[in-house]
Amino acid sequence: QQQVKQSPQSLIVQKGGISIINCAYENTAFDYFPWYQQFPGKGPALLIAIRPDVSEKKEGRFTISFNKSAKQFSLHIMDSQPGDSATYFCAASIKAAGNKLTFGGGTRVLVKP
Amino acid sequence: DTAVSQTPKYLVTQMGNDKSIKCEQNLGHDTMYWYKQDSKKFLKIMFSYNNKELIINETVPNRFSPKSPDKAHLNLHINSLELGDSAVYFCASRDINYGYTFGSGTRLTVV
Repeated sequence: QQQVKQSPQSLIVQKGGISIINCAYENTAFDYFPWYQQFPGKGPALLIAIRPDVSEKKEGRFTISFNKSAKQFSLHIMDSQPGDSATYFCAASIKAAGNKLTFGGGTRVLVKP
Repeated sequence: DTAVSQTPKYLVTQMGNDKSIKCEQNLGHDTMYWYKQDSKKFLKIMFSYNNKELIINETVPNRFSPKSPDKAHLNLHINSLELGDSAVYFCASRDINYGYTFGSGTRLTVV
């Protein structure tokens, strides 16, 4: 049972365009929702995170939108750059349960120059 | 200065062997984790330690045994390696604001 479902699996966007990745979760006890960026041969790196009492969070070109009633959250990458080409993972965790991350399946983003 | 360092980076070994992966963090975090990333890039938690104590033990074969000699180190020992153990193993540590720092991974190939 996959508790966090991520789509699309892959995405191609032109430089300057917007990349949108969506995630849906099932467990309403989740209370922390981070996004990670992973380059080939590297470990995932924390990009941005949100808590369920906030509907949107923006850091630079990256924005998380959160819809608690729909149990969905998404990552928007504005003005996408070739250096953004990577695999992106959404995740969810329960702080009181050791904060183990349950990851989505990942989205491979390719930004074409 | 690497925050979370794993060794070795690559490990190729035969079925049935026993191997260890070492992890060290210099961030002063209390909590460390092992995650497994399979060939489809799916990431799944294996273990978590908080200040040398095991707090999470997912459904992992008991051939996998973590050991934390102190809060800065979390090693993973694997007995009787099987083909299905081939994956990338990531060590991570977590800060008080719940942000994880992952190591660069150890690519294990069992032949």
